Amino acid sequence: SQKIEQNSEALNIQEGKTATLTCNYTNYSPAYLQWYRQDPGRGPVFLLLIRENEKEKRKERLKVTFDTTLKQSLFHITASQPADSATYLCALEAGNAGKSTFGDGTTLTVKP
Amino acid sequence: EPEVTQTPSHQVTQMGQEVILRCVPISNHLYFYWYRQILGQKVEFLVSFYNNEISEKSEIFDDQFSVERPDGSNFTLKIRSTKLEDSAMYFCASRNQGLGPYEQYFGPGTRLTVT
Repeated sequence: SQKIEQNSEALNIQEGKTATLTCNYTNYSPAYLQWYRQDPGRGPVFLLLIRENEKEKRKERLKVTFDTTLKQSLFHITASQPADSATYLCALEAGNAGKSTFGDGTTLTVKP
Repeated sequence: EPEVTQTPSHQVTQMGQEVILRCVPISNHLYFYWYRQILGQKVEFLVSFYNNEISEKSEIFDDQFSVERPDGSNFTLKIRSTKLEDSAMYFCASRNQGLGPYEQYFGPGTRLTVT
């Protein structure tokens, strides 16, 4: 069956460092992979989308890589700030505006 | 900036009662979705809707659930006879059409509590 694993439930880093979150998947051939931010009691907020034929995508301090051979995506936040503290979700899609399948999320805490 | 809105923000109901959760997707979007998230668990897909019909649904979306787009702006999720295990956050999402892919925008959610 399809499985999506995000590296750890919780990640604690110091302000100014780079946070790296991992999303691994099995038994799936996604056309797209998305990263979302979710704050407690709120809905997911879209951050970045990367296609299966793209290796890397950047947006301001965010960078996503996608390796379909390793079946892995890495999500980086550079120069992290306490305001980046949240749960980050990866989600896979087969394409054609179909459903998103979410991972469990990684809770990032950035300490000042 | 346009956003997906949902009402109510919190709904408390008794087991066996019917509830309707309402969503107003972003106005030029054509694909609509419902997801749910049980406390402490992952976001789970329920149903997708396009061109006035269900395009995909999950095993969770059984005969107790239905969706409707009654007019040009609202998108509703009805649970006919709620169970305790239906307690969760319910999120509506929408996305645009086109060559794609287009990002999926989520609403703030409705917290459903079944007692």
